[in-house]
Amino acid sequence: TQLLEQSPQFLSIQEGENLTVYCNSSSVFSSLQWYRQEPGEGPVLLVTVVTGGEVKKLKRLTFQFGDARKDSSLHITAAQPGDTGLYLCAGAPLGTYKYIFGTGTRLKVLA
Amino acid sequence: KAGVTQTPRYLIKTRGQQVTLSCSPISGHRSVSWYQQTPGQGLQFLFEYFSETQRNKGNFPGRFSGRQFSNSRSEMNVSTLELGDSALYLCASSSGTGGQETQYFGPGTRLLVL
Repeated sequence: TQLLEQSPQFLSIQEGENLTVYCNSSSVFSSLQWYRQEPGEGPVLLVTVVTGGEVKKLKRLTFQFGDARKDSSLHITAAQPGDTGLYLCAGAPLGTYKYIFGTGTRLKVLA
Repeated sequence: KAGVTQTPRYLIKTRGQQVTLSCSPISGHRSVSWYQQTPGQGLQFLFEYFSETQRNKGNFPGRFSGRQFSNSRSEMNVSTLELGDSALYLCASSSGTGGQETQYFGPGTRLLVL
């Protein structure tokens, strides 16, 4: 079974703190996507990482794709209440047509 | 470009009824995937359609079915509704040519079964 494991599952932090979310798999991916979802809404695409070792920055969010393209991380600097939501990594393992989602990380940033 | 649209946004049904949900993908996208999301199970893949053909299927009972039209719009149908079918149903579209393209989601249809 191809899985994308995310850690931590839940995170509650104070405004201004930094955090890192991890997305790990035993499968190789041609690309990985990160989404953020707010309650009752569909996931919104944040970024796609394609090249092993790639680092992408989106304001206070930094995304990294592992060298072997089996894992990824999302780092948030100086978290704000607006960052609250469910963070999902996703992708299709090489050689498959099946797009899979990570187990999710629920982040709550307290003011 | 307009995003993925889903109708209706909210729906209340009773056990035993059936329901049809609709999804219009981003213009030019040929792949449409459906997901069920519940608090306990997370995002679960239902099926994917590409060029009017079901290309992938998840592990859901036959009560869940779908189809795709020539304009890439898709519908999913759930027959004989059960309480456990209460969930947020999400549709996502992608260009779909290789099966690994980024998926873009609609806002979802929240179904409540009483």
